[in-house]
Amino acid sequence: AQSVSQHNHHVILSEAASLELGCNYSYGGTVNLFWYVQYPGQHLQLLLKYFSEDPLVKGIKGFEAEFIKSKFSFNLRKPSVQWSDTAEYFCAVIGGSYIPTFGRGTSLIVHP
Amino acid sequence: NAGVTQTPKFRVLKTGQSMTLLCAQDMNHEYMYWYRQDPGMGLRLIHYSVGEGTTAKGEVPDGYNVSRLKKQNFLLGLESAAPSQTSVYFCASSSRLAGTYEQYFGPGTRLTVT
Repeated sequence: AQSVSQHNHHVILSEAASLELGCNYSYGGTVNLFWYVQYPGQHLQLLLKYFSEDPLVKGIKGFEAEFIKSKFSFNLRKPSVQWSDTAEYFCAVIGGSYIPTFGRGTSLIVHP
Repeated sequence: NAGVTQTPKFRVLKTGQSMTLLCAQDMNHEYMYWYRQDPGMGLRLIHYSVGEGTTAKGEVPDGYNVSRLKKQNFLLGLESAAPSQTSVYFCASSSRLAGTYEQYFGPGTRLTVT
């Protein structure tokens, strides 16, 4: 069975600080990996996805993530956060079942 | 192209009452899902469907039933609501045939059971 672990539950940063959110998954085969973002009061939307291409994936709004197969990790990064990045971030993995498993989410608060 | 829509947006039920949440998608996606979102618990899969006429249990199916009579619609039913079912419910759809698997989410339904 596949599983996802997000290590940081709550992150508080000041604007212009760098961001890295951890995501580790457990699955022995080929995976597809995703980061979704949920802005306050809204539904989840796709931030970026990994599909067996370049392990460094670039998404919207300056976000990127690196797939490190040996570490079963897919950490999300952004060099300089903005107040508008305040949101909840979810990592998800799809293995052989084609049904995704989501992590518990990381709440990010960015102070102006 | 409306994407994924959910009806209703808000609902308050009394314990023991029943209701049905409707999800509709206009993207011709094969897969549809119902999740509940609770503080600190992330998204938990209730039921899902891989095609018209098929449904399967997810992580937390107890107390819920689903039906997928048409490809574009996925209904979530609560036969006898309990306070533990107070949550925000999200529907999502995805396409395996398109090879992307990314999920498209609806706006959510906030349900309170008193």
